[in-house]
Parts: sequence; C-alpha cells; structure tokens
Amino acid sequence: EAQVTQNPRYLITVTGKKLTVTCSQNMNHEYMSWYRQDPGLGLRQIYYSMNVEVTDKGDVPEGYKVSRKEKRNFPLILESPSPNQTSLYFCASSGQAFGSEKLFFGSGTQLSVL
Amino acid sequence: QKEVEQNSGPLSVPEGAIASLNCTYSDRGSQSFFWYRQYSGKSPELIMSIYSNGDKEDGRFTAQLNKASQYVSLLIRDSQPSDSATYLCAVNLRGAQKLVFGQGTRLTINP
Repeated sequence: EAQVTQNPRYLITVTGKKLTVTCSQNMNHEYMSWYRQDPGLGLRQIYYSMNVEVTDKGDVPEGYKVSRKEKRNFPLILESPSPNQTSLYFCASSGQAFGSEKLFFGSGTQLSVL
Repeated sequence: QKEVEQNSGPLSVPEGAIASLNCTYSDRGSQSFFWYRQYSGKSPELIMSIYSNGDKEDGRFTAQLNKASQYVSLLIRDSQPSDSATYLCAVNLRGAQKLVFGQGTRLTINP
C-alpha cells in the first residue's frame, strides 16, 4: 500500500530536549515536505526537499532542521524545542514538482512542548 | 493580502443542500489548484484538482476556476453529514517551489 509513515503520532516533551519526528514514504517520490498546522493559520511549510541531499527552507523554518540522506526518509529535527513549536505536524510527498501532482500526507504528529 | 484566502467559517448547510466553498488567490500566474478535505484530527486528502478555466465535475463535487477573477470554488451537491470537515484550498504559485494552502473552511452538514 502506498503510504507516508510518520512517527510518533503524539509527543509530549519539555523545552530544550532535542527530538526527531520520522517520515518515510514507499512510493519512490522525489519531493518531500514538512508542514505545521495551527488553528486559523492553515498549513505552513517548514522545509522541503526536491531530492536526496537537496533541501530548502519553507515559510517557517526557524527552530527546525531536516536531512535527506535517503530518498524514502525525511526526518524533522527540533534541536531545542520551545513552547511556540507546539503544533500539529504533517509530512507529505509527491511524485513530481509539488504543484503538478497531489500530495500524500502522513497521519500527523501532535507535538506539545511544555 | 494573503496569497490564498478562504472564509474560515464555520459554514453550516442542511443535509441534501448544495455547499459552496470559495477561495481567492493573489498570484495571477498560478496554474494548479487543489481542494483537500480534512476530517478533525486526520491528515488532508485530495478531493479535486483543476488546471483550466471552467468547471470540473467528479461525482457530487464540482470545482470551478476563474483565472481572470483569481477565484476557485468547490460545490458539494446533495450534502451528507459525512461531508462535515475542513476544506483546504491549495494553489501552486507561479515560480514558487511550494503549494500554498488557505486557512481552510470548516463545513458542517446538519441532518
């Protein structure tokens, strides 16, 4: 089954404790992206990757890191989480340039930073 | 002006009626337009895509695009309670390496 697998589904942590949210897709997609979703603000792009070792900032990259060492994996790293990073996070992938083909989303990670 | 704008609602529609969801965008050169549906606590799922002016129908859903007015809409005919969700408009901005989402419209279908 074609899917984007994102873990964990829920995460509660404390300020400053490094964490990683994993994302993996089994569709051989080149394009992958991370979004955060906050009430009233919709989906905002954090980082995206057009291919292995090619990543770039989205609209809200501050406080986040990503890496793309393998085509299937695109982890999101919070080196020193802060309460304003409490949000619902989604990983997504697409087989072509993001705008010309649909995005496949992971199931989401609800992050709370205390 | 926001790049992609939607009325956040909530929009309340009686069962069996037509629900009309609207979206405007700022970049006149945009080429690709999408509607995603998101149930509470779930991830967005694509329900319609449209690339040229006019209407595109898929079952009970019709997407309408008017590039001159920079306007895209989604009509849901014979609305069902299962259509209650947040609907996200997404636009591929010309020359941008991203899909921009509106803030979403929360739709409630009342039995």
